[in-house]
Amino acid sequence: GAGVSQSPSNKVTEKGKDVELRCDPISGHTALYWYRQRLGQGLEFLIYFQGNSAPDKSGLPSDRFSAERTGESVSTLTIQRTQQEDSAVYLCASSLAGQGSTIYFGEGSWLTVV
Amino acid sequence: GEDVEQSLFLSVREGDSSVINCTYTDSSSTYLYWYKQEPGAGLQLLTYIFSNMDMKQDQRLTVLLNKKDKHLSLRIADTQTGDSAIYFCAESIGRALTFGSGTRLQVQP
Repeated sequence: GAGVSQSPSNKVTEKGKDVELRCDPISGHTALYWYRQRLGQGLEFLIYFQGNSAPDKSGLPSDRFSAERTGESVSTLTIQRTQQEDSAVYLCASSLAGQGSTIYFGEGSWLTVV
Repeated sequence: GEDVEQSLFLSVREGDSSVINCTYTDSSSTYLYWYKQEPGAGLQLLTYIFSNMDMKQDQRLTVLLNKKDKHLSLRIADTQTGDSAIYFCAESIGRALTFGSGTRLQVQP
């Protein structure tokens, strides 16, 4: 596709359930990022994938959060046993390479935990 | 504290110029970015500047970079009501971007 695609665009889930958020980066982009934005707050880095290197998971807030990436394509962010404080927009972004390349964002997946 | 800092709010009248300021702390930043986020929408890349540049102009947008003071600004000329949004500056150091908390720009008719 022409841009970074994320699904679902909106998700309402019950507290304690697991959710999966999907990201399709721009074709050919080796770097992929996940960010979280809580209501009224700035962006919070979660995880970064670059090619075949080990991902940078330093931003994941707890062991309930995990992410996988298949080669240089689709990534899935999984949140287990969701809590109300997980409610946020989860933004995926990709770039051609990790350093100094322009980074393009998807529209985000809006997660509401009730 | 945050590595990238911005003021939270700016209000201007339609037709005036808006200047949104940002300070960052890492002198090894290679690129600095400005993103725009409209209500209910994702982030839109507005412009970016390489760290060896002082200024970049793109239509109504002017980016100024003062590396000595680690200060970045975005000037929007002839601000329109459609420019109302949250503006994020971000620095790229080699891995992920580090974002400021965003400046909410309100344009009054």
